[in-house]
Amino acid sequence: NAGVMQNPRHLVRRRGQEARLRCSPMKGHSHVYWYRQLPEEGLKFMVYLQKENIIDESGMPKERFSAEFPKEGPSILRIQQVVRGDSAAYFCASSPQTRGRSDTQYFGPGTRLTVL
Amino acid sequence: GQQVMQIPQYQHVQEGEDFTTYCNSSTTLSNIQWYKQRPGGHPVFLIQLVKSGEVKKQKRLTFQFGEAKKNSSLHITATQTTDVGTYFCAGPDSNYQLIWGAGTKLIIKP
Repeated sequence: NAGVMQNPRHLVRRRGQEARLRCSPMKGHSHVYWYRQLPEEGLKFMVYLQKENIIDESGMPKERFSAEFPKEGPSILRIQQVVRGDSAAYFCASSPQTRGRSDTQYFGPGTRLTVL
Repeated sequence: GQQVMQIPQYQHVQEGEDFTTYCNSSTTLSNIQWYKQRPGGHPVFLIQLVKSGEVKKQKRLTFQFGEAKKNSSLHITATQTTDVGTYFCAGPDSNYQLIWGAGTKLIIKP
């Protein structure tokens, strides 16, 4: 049973470029969460999605950041016009559709974004 | 809003010594979850506690959930190098969104 998949694992972008991060949840999971983690810091919640719906995007910056979870295919976290401060590890987690967001979350390996 | 405070931020121990991290919520929790993140890795679910006063053990790890369901602790007996990492607690708020503690980093002194 494959776990949560994220790609790419490492992404290098120059300032002003776009970063596109992909996440495929575990099989049977319909809830996806995105987190950002700066070095030596904790997890910062960004956005919670279900298929075709953004449920909670309270942790995501209003500008340059967007997320989607289409009916088919992976969830995408998109960062436009990246700046150096966007450099971080971005983790995706998924959970099954049982009790909602208090379910155990299963994390992917993360995408390490470096902005030059 | 609801907060989950976790202390200490760092703990340095000699290999073989014990380690404890504490988690305190500003509100009563329906459950509390613990995760471990190895250096360079991703968070991995360890355990979930649901009942008031619950105690669960996983080998050298002991997890407790307070009677008031507002605090929790993780205790590791006789730490080993494989225990190195950051331990996070997380509990759901009234909207069932997981609120995360800042983590406690376990460092084994050389």
